[in-house]
Amino acid sequence: EVRLLESGGGLVQPGGSLRLSCAASGFTFSSYAMRWVRQAPGKGLEWVSTVFSTGSSTNYADSVKGRFTISRDNSKNTLYLQMNSLTEEDTAVYYCAKGSYYDSTDYWGQGTLVTVSS
Amino acid sequence: DIQMTQSPSSLSASVGDRVTITCRASQSISSYLNWYQQKPGRAPNLLIYAASSLQSGVPSRFSGSGSGTDFTLTISSLQPEDSATYYCQQSYSTPYTFGQGTKLEIK
Repeated sequence: EVRLLESGGGLVQPGGSLRLSCAASGFTFSSYAMRWVRQAPGKGLEWVSTVFSTGSSTNYADSVKGRFTISRDNSKNTLYLQMNSLTEEDTAVYYCAKGSYYDSTDYWGQGTLVTVSS
Repeated sequence: DIQMTQSPSSLSASVGDRVTITCRASQSISSYLNWYQQKPGRAPNLLIYAASSLQSGVPSRFSGSGSGTDFTLTISSLQPEDSATYYCQQSYSTPYTFGQGTKLEIK
């Protein structure tokens, strides 16, 4: 059974930093692209970032480029998202998700809430 | 960036109805179109990938069609558990943009 378990969310002040982690199990983690998708309260889904299977290639939404860094440790089956210079617009539930055919997203974690507020 | 526009934004239908949701891309995305269902407080669930391929475990009443810029998600016979918000997403090029969502309610 595929499981994705996010951690690291919480309350942070504007300008602060936070690192999210996602522990993966139930599949060959090193074979798949992984991504973060977020959802602001009451809003739709926003793709944030993707890292390819080896970690050698990454992509970011313009809204987070230069502030967020996605990475992975295939030896630990863990995905990360380092978030710096946070603003209130970054307040959202952050989902860790597994890439699949045609770059769809077939498995999602339960999400971790990040709240940026003073 | 590729813009994805869904219609309608919301709809209400009865159990047993045939329901269609459309998604239009601002430029051709071939068949790189995915559909997700999201229920309140839950993570999204992949229904359809590559425009028309049914994800494993998804009921066969869900189907997708289209290519290029115009796509459709169809629920052939609406069930009570289909009450949810549905999102399309293009995975043709980054940023992988989502539609704004269609909220489906059961009458």
